[in-house]
Amino acid sequence: KAGVTQTPRYLIKTRGQQVTLSCSPISGHRSVSWYQQTPGQGLQFLFEYFSETQRNKGNFPGRFSGRQFSNSRSEMNVSTLELGDSALYLCASSPTMRGPETQYFGPGTRLLVL
Amino acid sequence: GENVEQHPSTLSVQEGDSAVIKCTYSDSASNYFPWYKQELGKRPQLIIDIRSNVGEKKDQRIAVTLNKTAKHFSLHITETQPEDSAVYFCAASDSGGGADGLTFGKGTHLIIQP
Repeated sequence: KAGVTQTPRYLIKTRGQQVTLSCSPISGHRSVSWYQQTPGQGLQFLFEYFSETQRNKGNFPGRFSGRQFSNSRSEMNVSTLELGDSALYLCASSPTMRGPETQYFGPGTRLLVL
Repeated sequence: GENVEQHPSTLSVQEGDSAVIKCTYSDSASNYFPWYKQELGKRPQLIIDIRSNVGEKKDQRIAVTLNKTAKHFSLHITETQPEDSAVYFCAASDSGGGADGLTFGKGTHLIIQP
């Protein structure tokens, strides 16, 4: 099976702009989670989607949003970008929501905000 | 919410020696504890995980132990090799299926000295 894919891999934006990142899970996986990775804060949970519904959200401002489509692909959007949003954004997929499961990570999208 | 502390932040060991990384968690409801290895510029890769109904799990040179009473878990790598050099993250999940996402430790940079 193909792994989790993310597009684009690299992105440069300026403050105030918005950005949309895409994640395609492993075929058959229905849960997609998003994480932000920075040198200072490490890996932090953004939100998780299952069957097109956001099941939970981490401690991030409302500028961070996401959605999931019927084919389980997911997008996340960041509006009004700030310098501190520069990070590696990782998505991870897992088969279902029942019971603790392994999450498989994508390669990430590296976002630089200037 | 869950809080995961990871120590040490950097660990340097001679090739062939053992390495131990320790994590503590705060939420007694956590029931899933994965360990991820992240090489420079690459995605986190699951190396081993343990569930709360098990005290120890081994996979070749890697083992994880869990003490639910003390709320801590550890990664043990024996006979370390140069390719073990990477950043290792522990994580905890406090609900089934990852609905609350994984809470990660800050990571340990493992350096294998030849």
